[in-house]
Amino acid sequence: GDSVTQMEGPVTLSEEAFLTINCTYTATGYPSLFWYVQYPGEGLQLLLKATKADDKGSNKGFEATYRKETTSFHLEKGSVQVSDSAVYFCALSHRTSGSRLTFGEGTQLTVNP
Amino acid sequence: GAGVSQSPSNKVTEKGKDVELRCDPISGHTALYWYRQSLGQGLEFLIYFQGNSAPDKSGLPSDRFSAERTGGSVSTLTIQRTQQEDSAVYLCASSFMSGDTDTQYFGPGTRLTVL
Repeated sequence: GDSVTQMEGPVTLSEEAFLTINCTYTATGYPSLFWYVQYPGEGLQLLLKATKADDKGSNKGFEATYRKETTSFHLEKGSVQVSDSAVYFCALSHRTSGSRLTFGEGTQLTVNP
Repeated sequence: GAGVSQSPSNKVTEKGKDVELRCDPISGHTALYWYRQSLGQGLEFLIYFQGNSAPDKSGLPSDRFSAERTGGSVSTLTIQRTQQEDSAVYLCASSFMSGDTDTQYFGPGTRLTVL
């Protein structure tokens, strides 16, 4: 079945540092890929998505590129802020899985001033 | 406009009792999903509705769990004879359609604690 693997956390960075959170997936065909974010005390929010190979999703300075050849969807941001502290979830959705989301384990990011 | 709402926000119950969790999706969204977030298992899919029918119930962990949706809108997740391992945050999401490219919008969740 489909699965998503994220880099283990937690990740602690200083403000303005470069962020990468790795995400790889296993799925047949061409799933859609997502990054969701959960800020402290809040619900899950879509951060960005990509629906086909080589697509780049971007939002709030975050970017991720759908790499079919490496089955990856790594999240990057050039300069993190304290307000980016949250838990980040990589996920995929696939027609053969009823379009439900399959999530990675989540990565806790803490950004210190 | 209004987002996905869930009630109650917190529920504490005793082992063996039944509980009902409610989800109000975004108006006009035809697809509705239930997920569970727990420390040991991460985020797990439970069940999904397209309209009032549930094409995919594969994530329900046991026959103590059931869900229904009426009028293509509100959904109720029922857990019978609750067990301590049912303690988790139950999340509901809705999307306009059930295509794999459609964005799912999540509610704030119901935190269930089984004593």
